[in-house]
Amino acid sequence: GQSLEQPSEVTAVEGAIVQINCTYQTSGFYGLSWYQQHDGGAPTFLSYNALDGLEETGRFSSFLSRSDSYGYLLLQELQMKDSASYFCAVNFLDDYKLSFGAGTTVTVRA
Amino acid sequence: DVKVTQSSRYLVKRTGEKVFLECVQDMDHENMFWYRQDPGLGLRLIYFSYDVKMKEKGDIPEGYSVSREKKERFSLILESASTNQTSMYLCASSRASPGAPYGYTFGSGTRLTVV
Repeated sequence: GQSLEQPSEVTAVEGAIVQINCTYQTSGFYGLSWYQQHDGGAPTFLSYNALDGLEETGRFSSFLSRSDSYGYLLLQELQMKDSASYFCAVNFLDDYKLSFGAGTTVTVRA
Repeated sequence: DVKVTQSSRYLVKRTGEKVFLECVQDMDHENMFWYRQDPGLGLRLIYFSYDVKMKEKGDIPEGYSVSREKKERFSLILESASTNQTSMYLCASSRASPGAPYGYTFGSGTRLTVV
């Protein structure tokens, strides 16, 4: 698999902003995606970056910089329901399988 | 609502047993995948399939096999279960289409305990 590094845990209060970085040791991938997984649940797709720059979906945004070999997921206006694990993943052109990072557990406190 | 369904939510099996984990998707997706998820290790790819009767090894195929006789069904087989195969197993499917965005739909997982 590919090497994707994420922080293991992040804690923040309701209403705050959290940035989860994903740095990678591989090049030439087609896209970087993010998944959310609540405890005991299935991972669900959040966002996908094929091009450098920012993709915004409501309170969540994702960013990719290939020249800096990193991306991030930005969670704004944190809510208690955002407490979950977040995974970054990459796929390559003409290859549909995803390689995942180890995940970041986000805990939102009141 | 589109769905990936895994046949069991929890399973307990004995060492040496042959174990079948079933996954069915109703989205007519071409691609199907089996991952295992362990704390601190994220999701690791076991096997995948891009077409009926086609299978390819992922990163950790040892001790596992798969079967895809129909497009909607992808089975993971543990030939002789061992305690180090105790894990959460996740099935996923995706469409084979070019371009972004690209994403998986996951099943809810099967938590397998081998005793």
